[in-house]
Amino acid sequence: DTGVSQDPRHKITKRGQNVTFRCDPISEHNRLYWYRQTLGQGPEFLTYFQNEAQLEKSRLLSDRFSAERPKGSFSTLEIQRTEQGDSAMYLCASSLEMFLAGVQDTQYFGPGTRLTVL
Amino acid sequence: AQSVTQLDSHVSVSEGTPVLLRCNYSSSYSPSLFWYVQHPNKGLQLLLKYTSAATLVKGINGFEAEFKKSETSFHLTKPSAHMSDAAEYFCVVSAATSGTYKYIFGTGTRLKVLA
Repeated sequence: DTGVSQDPRHKITKRGQNVTFRCDPISEHNRLYWYRQTLGQGPEFLTYFQNEAQLEKSRLLSDRFSAERPKGSFSTLEIQRTEQGDSAMYLCASSLEMFLAGVQDTQYFGPGTRLTVL
Repeated sequence: AQSVTQLDSHVSVSEGTPVLLRCNYSSSYSPSLFWYVQHPNKGLQLLLKYTSAATLVKGINGFEAEFKKSETSFHLTKPSAHMSDAAEYFCVVSAATSGTYKYIFGTGTRLKVLA
């Protein structure tokens, strides 16, 4: 069990540049989530996928943000025209659907990608 | 809607003494509740979860939590703190019955363990 992996672990960029992060979930997990965590705060939900379908997006996910999961396996999160306010830890999590209506599955988190926008 | 409030941003205990981290939740649906721990430069690790089975939930590393519906609380406890317990702890609420699987995190409690 290799767990959820994220790449890169750290990214420093200049304001206005585009960045892309990758998340590889646990292999049999069909759900994948993105969260953002700023200093001193708990993670905040951004979006989630079930297989390749993006089923929910937070209002935090402005039009500069886009996420994909093209083959239902790994996912990418792209931020265009980065701003200093985008500096945060971006966390990915995955879970296995329980196939029982109303039953919450457990999410397993990756180590995160720390983004610093100068 | 769901929300969670962690009542203490920082808690300090001496090694070997009990730990209590407090969490209150709000949910319009039957909630699932979780506690996660985050050590510096490491990912979030699940400690325990409540999903409408037994109200007293036992987790890893000697932690446990009790779901009290009347008090809308899900406090995390451990009988005896260890130095390795020093970390950030997050209480999480979710409600699959509402049609969403996202987690709502509290703001975290930083636990300090004194030698």
